[in-house]
Amino acid sequence: KNEVEQSPQNLTAQEGEFITINCSYSVGISALHWLQQHPGGGIVSLFMLSSGKKKHGRLIATINIQEKHSSLHITASHPRDSAVYICAVATSGSRLTFGEGTQLTVNP
Amino acid sequence: NAGVTQTPKFQVLKTGQSMTLQCAQDMNHNSMYWYRQDPGMGLRLIYYSASEGTTDKGEVPNGYNVSRLNKREFSLRLESAAPSQTSVYFCASSEIAGASDTQYFGPGTRLTVL
Repeated sequence: KNEVEQSPQNLTAQEGEFITINCSYSVGISALHWLQQHPGGGIVSLFMLSSGKKKHGRLIATINIQEKHSSLHITASHPRDSAVYICAVATSGSRLTFGEGTQLTVNP
Repeated sequence: NAGVTQTPKFQVLKTGQSMTLQCAQDMNHNSMYWYRQDPGMGLRLIYYSASEGTTDKGEVPNGYNVSRLNKREFSLRLESAAPSQTSVYFCASSEIAGASDTQYFGPGTRLTVL
């Protein structure tokens, strides 16, 4: 079993829909990261959180440390949100453990 | 600021050839990382450098060597390329050492080993 599991693997939505991507992990962590990988391949960090909730524009990330679970929400989704969303956990030292990613497609 | 830059963007090698992937950052970050990304798998850490003058193995170091040339530059060398090293390679940097800091990624190098 992977240390970081994301669901769903693939998600197709209509423009304007509310989207949730989930991340579960099985180890103790010091922080959790959400990243976005554009269709062209570039990777951008969206959030880093160790507790509670963070919001940036239409993106909201939450984490429940006791349940070892995090969610990434996108409100009022848009085709430009189409990308792969990756969850990564900080376990020991300088190491991040990454999930396989969730491929999101938002249709106009 | 260019952020994190990588060269080359694409490379095709034959089995047994060697090459060096270059990475540079202009954000005065202390820590730098090399990852590989393969289909159906998450990014995996090859090597990292917590600070200038230090390097450490990551999850998949076999077949690779690294050099932290100075604070800006961190190179990854394949001494004798194998088809199993066909992958997309990403360099990243962070201001402080440790995985609890935001990492900034380069655009990636797509390597094919025939």
